[in-house]
Amino acid sequence: DAKTTQPTSMDCAEGRAANLPCNHSTISGNEYVYWYRQIHSQGPQYIIHGLKNNETNEMASLIITEDRKSSTLILPHATLRDTAVYYCIVAGGGGTSYGKLTFGQGTILTVHP
Amino acid sequence: KAGVTQTPRYLIKTRGQQVTLSCSPISGHRSVSWYQQTPGQGLQFLFEYFSETQRNKGNFPGRFSGRQFSNSRSEMNVSTLELGDSALYLCASSLGLAGHEQYFGPGTRLTVT
Repeated sequence: DAKTTQPTSMDCAEGRAANLPCNHSTISGNEYVYWYRQIHSQGPQYIIHGLKNNETNEMASLIITEDRKSSTLILPHATLRDTAVYYCIVAGGGGTSYGKLTFGQGTILTVHP
Repeated sequence: KAGVTQTPRYLIKTRGQQVTLSCSPISGHRSVSWYQQTPGQGLQFLFEYFSETQRNKGNFPGRFSGRQFSNSRSEMNVSTLELGDSALYLCASSLGLAGHEQYFGPGTRLTVT
């Protein structure tokens, strides 16, 4: 599985957009980018995933660069409830990543009033 | 649709004992994965089951085992408990084999004394 690099922590003001970056320069052609978050003491929550096109759902938008070496998760209007650890994961493509999510340290996003 | 459920939510065991944790996936989901979360190691993949067969396994000793039943419910067992097994054990379900869009339960908090 390709390794990902994320900032350790980020802050965001409530109501503003939160932009969380992720580098995955060794991603292979058939691997997807997944984003999960974990609110304190809860199980991780799936947010969104994409291959090469930008994706949007009710929770967030995912922007993947054309070379696929990095991506940005965008929470358009952050609320206090979005305070969590956000994980960027590269997975898919078969092989040993069968159903396996490899979590790194993630980014601690703190949303301030 | 009900989410992933895990029982028990909290458990205290003594070194040397064994423990069995249970996971009921989202209705219709056929794949179940297990993860261990500790402050030191973060979230680590234990194994994935699909159609009652283990499809992938993480780097854990043989004391950690699991199984899946015909109704997709899964159990994991840890034998000869060690202090270092104290962790949050998370179960996640996905629709098909090797699915990376996984839905997590609340976890079982195991404390080994």
